[in-house]
Formats: sequence, C-alpha cells, structure tokens
Amino acid sequence: EAQVTQNPRYLITVTGKKLTVTCSQNMNHEYMSWYRQDPGLGLRQIYYSMNVEVTDKGDVPEGYKVSRKEKRNFPLILESPSPNQTSLYFCASSSGQGTSPLHFGNGTRLTVT
Amino acid sequence: AQKITQTQPGMFVQEKEAVTLDCTYDTSDPSYGLFWYKQPSSGEMIFLIYQGSYDQQNATEGRYSLNFQKARKSANLVISASQLGDSAMYFCAMREGLISSGSARQLTFGSGTQLTVLP
Repeated sequence: EAQVTQNPRYLITVTGKKLTVTCSQNMNHEYMSWYRQDPGLGLRQIYYSMNVEVTDKGDVPEGYKVSRKEKRNFPLILESPSPNQTSLYFCASSSGQGTSPLHFGNGTRLTVT
Repeated sequence: AQKITQTQPGMFVQEKEAVTLDCTYDTSDPSYGLFWYKQPSSGEMIFLIYQGSYDQQNATEGRYSLNFQKARKSANLVISASQLGDSAMYFCAMREGLISSGSARQLTFGSGTQLTVLP
C-alpha cells in the first residue's frame, strides 16, 4: 500500500530535550516536506526536499532541522524544543510534478512542556 | 497578503443537502493549481480534488466539484448530497509556478473551514 509513515503519533517532551520525528514514504517520490498545523493558521511549511541531499527552508524553519540521506526518509529534528513548537506535524510527499497532490502521513501531535 | 483565504471558520449543513465552501486566492503567476483536502477528527489529510489554472472545465470527483472562477480568483468546493461522514475540516491549498521549478512544489494552505453535517 502506497503510504507516508511518520512516527511517533503522539509525543510529550520537555523543553530542551532533543527529539526526532521520522518520516518514510514507499512511493519513490522525489519531493518531501514537513508542515505544522496550528488552530486558525492552517498548515505552514517548515522544510522541504526536492531530492536526496537537497533541502530548503519553508515558511517557518526556525528551531527545526532536516536531512535527506535516502530518498524514502525525511526526518524532522528538534534540537532544543520549546513550548511554542507544540503543534500537529505532518510529513508529506509527492512525485514532484506540479499537478500532483501531496500525500500526507497521519500526523504527529507534539507537546513540549 | 494572504495567498489563500477561507472566510468561513465554521459551516453547518443538513444531511442530503448541498454545501459550498469558499476559497479565494491571490497570485500573479499564470500557472497554478488549486487543491482541496479533508481532515476528519481522526487527523489525517485526505486529498479530494484538483483544479489547474489552465483547465477548461471545472473539476469533479464524485460528490465533490469545484466552482472555479478564474477572474474572481475563487475556487469554491461544492459537496452535493451531504453525508454525516462529511463532517470535517476542509482546507483549500494552492501551488504556484507549475511550469517553473524550485519552490514551485510548495502547497500554501488556507486556515480551513469546519463543516458539520446535521442529521
């Protein structure tokens, strides 16, 4: 089954404790992206990757890191999480063609206390 | 300026009736695409329908159709014969620069409309 898998689904952590949210897709997609969703703001892009070893900032990259060492994986790293990073996070991928939709993972609800 | 505007934070519709969810957009790029997604209470994002700026006809997918008015820069989602399972948050999104490369792959989302279908 074609899918984007992100883990964990829920994560509660404390300020400053490094964490990684994993994302993997099995559709051989070139393009992968991370979004955060906050009430009233919709989804905002954090980082994206056009292909292996090619990443770039989205609209809200501060406090996040990513890497793309393999085509299928695109982890999101929070080196020193803060309470304002409490949010619902989505990983997404697409074939890279302009008309193709984003395929989303099921989301990770992160709480930073 | 907001690139995607959804002016209805919440909407109610009676079961079996049709409902229109509004979406207006702002772009100077002649080549763009508009997407609608559904997010049920379980949280996943489900792709519903796509409309390209050069498409001659309005997109349809089952009970979903897109009322695309290019001159008004609006791309309203119409759901016919509403069902209880249609209760969800609905997001409109746009991708600019379909012909160009680079950050053209980004989808910009609106703030969403929470639809509630009443029995």
